[in-house]
Amino acid sequence: NAGVTQTPKFRVLKTGQSMTLLCAQDMNHEYMYWYRQDPGMGLRLIHYSVGEGTTAKGEVPDGYNVSRLKKQNFLLGLESAAPSQTSVYFCASRLGSSGRSYEQYFGPGTRLTVT
Amino acid sequence: SQQGEEDPQALSIQEGENATMNCSYKTSINNLQWYRQNSGRGLVHLILIRSNEREKHSGRLRVTLDTSKKSSSLLITASRAADTASYFCATVNTGTASKLTFGTGTRLQVTL
Repeated sequence: NAGVTQTPKFRVLKTGQSMTLLCAQDMNHEYMYWYRQDPGMGLRLIHYSVGEGTTAKGEVPDGYNVSRLKKQNFLLGLESAAPSQTSVYFCASRLGSSGRSYEQYFGPGTRLTVT
Repeated sequence: SQQGEEDPQALSIQEGENATMNCSYKTSINNLQWYRQNSGRGLVHLILIRSNEREKHSGRLRVTLDTSKKSSSLLITASRAADTASYFCATVNTGTASKLTFGTGTRLQVTL
């Protein structure tokens, strides 16, 4: 199993450009998450999904959109990138509510720079 | 807002010593988890302790939870250079079972 994979690994954008980050998991997990990590601030939740076709806002959703059209994929979109969105983005997944499994599995991250 | 605050922010010890990191949180929790992050990598789950548990062990890891003080500690015994990483506590808060709230982390440096 590949676990959780993220595409791309690195990206540089100019202010105002758009892009989509792709997260894929092959563990048949129900829940998926997008976080951003900034120096000294730990991880902050952007958006999450508790199942195919569902999405919900996290702590810092402004400027981002997400879609979960397939169970195994969770896409994070930036419609008009801003320098404040320079960060490392992590995707994670979790089995779901069954079995009371709360452990999250993380991807390797995408380092995004907006100039 | 960040739920967990970790103390210390950075810790440097020698190989073989024990490392203790502390985490405080603000609201009622379902469980508390600890994760490790090696430089430039994703987070890896280490251990979970439920709100009705007071202590849990896994290999060289020992986690305690004091819900009356809203605090937890992670002890790594007989540390190794390979333990060098950042460690984060994260809580599943009561009523928000689908989400984790992370602390700001402790950077651990283990030197030979």
